[in-house]
Amino acid sequence: EPEVTQTPSHQVTQMGQEVILRCVPISNHLYFYWYRQILGQKVEFLVSFYNNEISEKSEIFDDQFSVERPDGSNFTLKIRSTKLEDSAMYFCASSEGSWREQYFGPGTRLTVT
Amino acid sequence: AQTVTQSQPEMSVQEAETVTLSCTYDTSESDYYLFWYKQPPSRQMILVIRQEAYKQQNATENRFSVNFQKAAKSFSLKISDSQLGDAAMYFCAYRSSLIIQGAQKLVFGQGTRLTINP
Repeated sequence: EPEVTQTPSHQVTQMGQEVILRCVPISNHLYFYWYRQILGQKVEFLVSFYNNEISEKSEIFDDQFSVERPDGSNFTLKIRSTKLEDSAMYFCASSEGSWREQYFGPGTRLTVT
Repeated sequence: AQTVTQSQPEMSVQEAETVTLSCTYDTSESDYYLFWYKQPPSRQMILVIRQEAYKQQNATENRFSVNFQKAAKSFSLKISDSQLGDAAMYFCAYRSSLIIQGAQKLVFGQGTRLTINP
């Protein structure tokens, strides 16, 4: 069964450094999402992406964040200058259509020191 | 803005018994989707069950079923014949059905940690 994959599974970085989290959505899916879950808290929406542009972004998704689909398979989340509070689990998700279920990847645990 | 509330931070159940997890939500929309996701210790989010608000019939998936009360804005998950592998964090989530840009995001509740006692 096709699945969403994410790399790396765990990333440790120093405050102020740039990180890129990578996702490979399910191949025939057209909608892509990033969510974040700070340890012990609820899952929060960051951004949705369709047709090579951002559909919606949350207040969390400030100028330090960007998303890109550099080729036909990858979907990336970049944090330009990481802060301690960016430490969280980042989940990528994709769906076939806007009305269809979102399937999540296994997540990338980001630790900012 | 829509909100989702799970009032039970933790629940436990004996193996083979039945447990019900509660979820309430707030929305002004008449049509929407509701979901239950399971997050085991591996932390991957797994879709358990989905309910369309326009359907009166409650969704079922094997041992998992929901009790959807639209007027009360309640969406509980019932797990029958609980198994050790059901131990996980369970999240209730809401999504609008509007086909407009930006309407697809999931809004999650705080989660309920379910423990299965052998």
